[in-house]
Amino acid sequence: AQSVTQPDIHITVSEGASLELRCNYSYGATPYLFWYVQSPGQGLQLLLKYFSGDTLVQGIKGFEAEFKRSQSSFNLRKPSVHWSDAAEYFCALSGGSNYKLTFGKGTLLTVNP
Amino acid sequence: DGGITQSPKYLFRKEGQNVTLSCEQNLNHDAMYWYRQDPGQGLRLIYYSQIVNDFQKGDIAEGYSVSREKKESFPLTVTSAQKNPTAFYLCASRTAGQGNIQYFGAGTRLSVL
Repeated sequence: AQSVTQPDIHITVSEGASLELRCNYSYGATPYLFWYVQSPGQGLQLLLKYFSGDTLVQGIKGFEAEFKRSQSSFNLRKPSVHWSDAAEYFCALSGGSNYKLTFGKGTLLTVNP
Repeated sequence: DGGITQSPKYLFRKEGQNVTLSCEQNLNHDAMYWYRQDPGQGLRLIYYSQIVNDFQKGDIAEGYSVSREKKESFPLTVTSAQKNPTAFYLCASRTAGQGNIQYFGAGTRLSVL
């Protein structure tokens, strides 16, 4: 069975501060990993993805994530947060022949001015 | 513009009533998915279809039904058997190759009157 854990339900940072959102996964092989962002009442937008190769992946809006196989982690980072980054962030794993996504429960990011 | 269109944005259901949520895509994707989102629960898979005229149950299919008569369309019916239908429903379609990325519509919020 595959699973995704986002340990932090809610994180608050100040604008301009650095950000790291944690994601741990459980899967029997090398997974496809994704980070999505959701603004209130909206759909999900893909930030970045990891399939293979370079373990540090760059995404949109200045985000990056690092795949660490030894720690079963795929943490999302941003060096300087903007107020517009306030949203909910979901880590997801895709595996198996149906490529269904298994999501974590999300981390809500609040940005203080 | 290519994309995924969900309608309506808001929907209200009376007791004992079936309601249908629309999902249309013009991305020429073969696979489509329906997810349910509840606060603090992440997204859970209801049904998915990898090809026209074929679909499979996801993790929480009870009380829901789907059809896939056309490649572009994957409507979801919330039946009267679904006793707790209030949620945000998201439709996605998936690329083939290049990591099989899922792209999401803007969602439909269903409430019970």
